[in-house]
Amino acid sequence: DIQMTQSPSSLSASVGDRVTITCRASQSISGYLNWYQQKPGKAPKLLIFGASTLEYGVPSRFSGSGSGSHFTLTISSLQPEDFATYYCQQSYSTPPYSFGQGTKLEIK
Amino acid sequence: EVQLVQSGGGLVQPGGSLRLSCVASGFTFRSFDVNWVRQVPGQGLEWISHISSSGGSVFYADSVQGRFTISRDNAKNSLYLQMNSLRAEDTAIYYCARDRDSLAKGDYWGQGTLVTVSS
Repeated sequence: DIQMTQSPSSLSASVGDRVTITCRASQSISGYLNWYQQKPGKAPKLLIFGASTLEYGVPSRFSGSGSGSHFTLTISSLQPEDFATYYCQQSYSTPPYSFGQGTKLEIK
Repeated sequence: EVQLVQSGGGLVQPGGSLRLSCVASGFTFRSFDVNWVRQVPGQGLEWISHISSSGGSVFYADSVQGRFTISRDNAKNSLYLQMNSLRAEDTAIYYCARDRDSLAKGDYWGQGTLVTVSS
């Protein structure tokens, strides 16, 4: 099975900062990588699919890049509503579609 | 409006059974693959099961293989998760989630339902 490793596990930042979260796969997954945002008590929300395609309605300050086994999620200018936990998930080939362990983004 | 509305969670004793339901509306349910994902409160997401649009292909995480069964009734726009031989470590919030296509997974999610396995 493919293992997904996110870093960092937590991150403190201020409004207006640029932040980057990294996700690494244990093998090549081509571009089959999704990013989700989850706020407390809510279901995850799809932000980016196919490693770099922004989901409908997601602000353009979010961007994704990478292919193969190394991926990044970047938020160009943090807004107050962006403080949440972020997860990557691989969807390469057939399931299991494993998630990273999550990155909690907190206000500094 | 696309909606996935879940039901069926609750408290169950170890070794017991429970069936979760997820009713879809606002889209052609029979055209989409769907998944179950769970989350221990305060912890990360765990993918646990997938079913193809026709129901002909199913997959499970090792942690639930042989104990959980995913199924769907396209005539009723419904997804199910039958959970047997439940253990304390199955305690979690369970979500259903739709796959839009081969790239865009989890584009819509249910509200989640808490399953607590305890004596």
